Amino acid sequence: QSALTQPASVSGSPGQSITISCTGTSSDVGNYDLVSWYQHHPGKAPKLMIYEANKRPSGLSDRFSGSKSGNTASLTISGLQAEDEADYYCCSYGGSATWLFGGGTKLTVL
Amino acid sequence: QAQLQESGPGLVKPSQTLSLTCAVSGDSIASGGYSWNWIRLPAGKGLEWIGRIYGRGTANYNPSLESRVTMSVDTSKNQLSLELRSVTAADTAIYFCARGTSRWFDPWGQGILVTVSS
Repeated sequence: QSALTQPASVSGSPGQSITISCTGTSSDVGNYDLVSWYQHHPGKAPKLMIYEANKRPSGLSDRFSGSKSGNTASLTISGLQAEDEADYYCCSYGGSATWLFGGGTKLTVL
Repeated sequence: QAQLQESGPGLVKPSQTLSLTCAVSGDSIASGGYSWNWIRLPAGKGLEWIGRIYGRGTANYNPSLESRVTMSVDTSKNQLSLELRSVTAADTAIYFCARGTSRWFDPWGQGILVTVSS
C-alpha cells in the first residue's frame, strides 16, 4: 500500500478559493467513499474537516467542501481566511481494515 | 466531548521499545462504539496510520509495521497503549491517538514527539 498523492503546497490570497487534490488507486480512493480530510496546525491536534468524501461535521464552516471522482478526491476552501493556513491531509480506507493518508499539503494564505 | 492525551518518553534509544499511553476522557473505551487508533507524523512526511484497537481488545495493524507493533487497552483506566519494538531513527515522529470509525478519525490528541537517538 502506498500513501495517497497530494501536492506539497498550494497558496491563495484572502477571499480566493483553492483546491487540494488527493490521488489514490482503484483499491482505495476509487473503491470506497470513505475519504476524509484533516486540518493540522503544527503543535495542535489535527481536526476533521470532511468525511465520506463530501460531508462536513456539524458546525464546520461551509467554506470547506469535498468531492471525489474516480481515484481522486478534492478539498476546496472558498473565501480563504488567514486562519485557514495549515497543513491538510487526506485519508482513505484501503480495505482489509487499513487506512492510508496523503503526504500532506501546506496551504499558504498570501 | 471526548478528549485524548498522549504520554510517554520523548527519547528512545535505537533497537529499544517505544511505549506510549493515550488517556481518554469524555467517552468510554469499553462502550465498543468506536475504534481507538494510533497515527504518526514523521518530520517532513505525511501521516501514517499505525493501527486500531477496540475496547474488547481486537486490533488491526498497518501491514508495514505489524511485525513490530502491539496495541492494548486498559478499560479500568480508560486508556490505550502502543508498543513499537526494535525502533530506528525512521520511527522518530509525532505520535497521535485518535477515536475512529470507518468514516473518520475524531477527535485526536495533540500528539507527542518521540525521538529515536542514542
